Amino acid sequence: KAGVTQTPRYLIKTRGQQVTLSCSPISGHRSVSWYQQTPGQGLQFLFEYFSETQRNKGNFPGRFSGRQFSNSRSEMNVSTLELGDSALYLCASSSLGELNTDTQYFGPGTRLTVL
Amino acid sequence: AQRVTQPEKLLSVFKGAPVELKCNYSYSGSPELFWYVQYSRQRLQLLLRHISRESIKGFTADLNKGETSFHLKKPFAQEEDSAMYYCALKTAAGNKLTFGGGTRVLVKP
Repeated sequence: KAGVTQTPRYLIKTRGQQVTLSCSPISGHRSVSWYQQTPGQGLQFLFEYFSETQRNKGNFPGRFSGRQFSNSRSEMNVSTLELGDSALYLCASSSLGELNTDTQYFGPGTRLTVL
Repeated sequence: AQRVTQPEKLLSVFKGAPVELKCNYSYSGSPELFWYVQYSRQRLQLLLRHISRESIKGFTADLNKGETSFHLKKPFAQEEDSAMYYCALKTAAGNKLTFGGGTRVLVKP
């Protein structure tokens, strides 16, 4: 099966703009999670979508939002970009595996730079 | 709130030496613990999880609920083990993972 794909891989924006990142999960996976990775804060959970519904949410401001489509593809949007939003944004998909625990498979990430 | 601590940012060992990466967590319930690894220029991938109690690439990790730890061990480190390692905790339904800050392992020849 093809792995998790994320587009675009690199993005440069300026403060105040908005951005949309896309994630295509592994075929058959219905859960998509998003994480932000920065040198200072490490890996932080943003939100998770399952069957088009947000199932979990991290501690990020409302400028960060997401959605999931019926084919399980997901997008996240960041509005009114700030310099501190510069980060690697990772997407992970999963399905129920053995013992009812979900193994998450990560994409390569989208590197967002805010100038 | 849950928290995962990896006290070592960098661990440097010689090939063939044992390696142990520390992970401590704080959570009052029954957690699921994971170790993820990121090799150079590769994506983050699952190394092992406590619930399956398996050994992957010679690595093992035991969940110690009394000490709230989930240390990762390998008796004989190999150069290909050089990577970034993250301990992660899952506490709720769904897939929210709380990650530690990561430990970079460098295995010298």
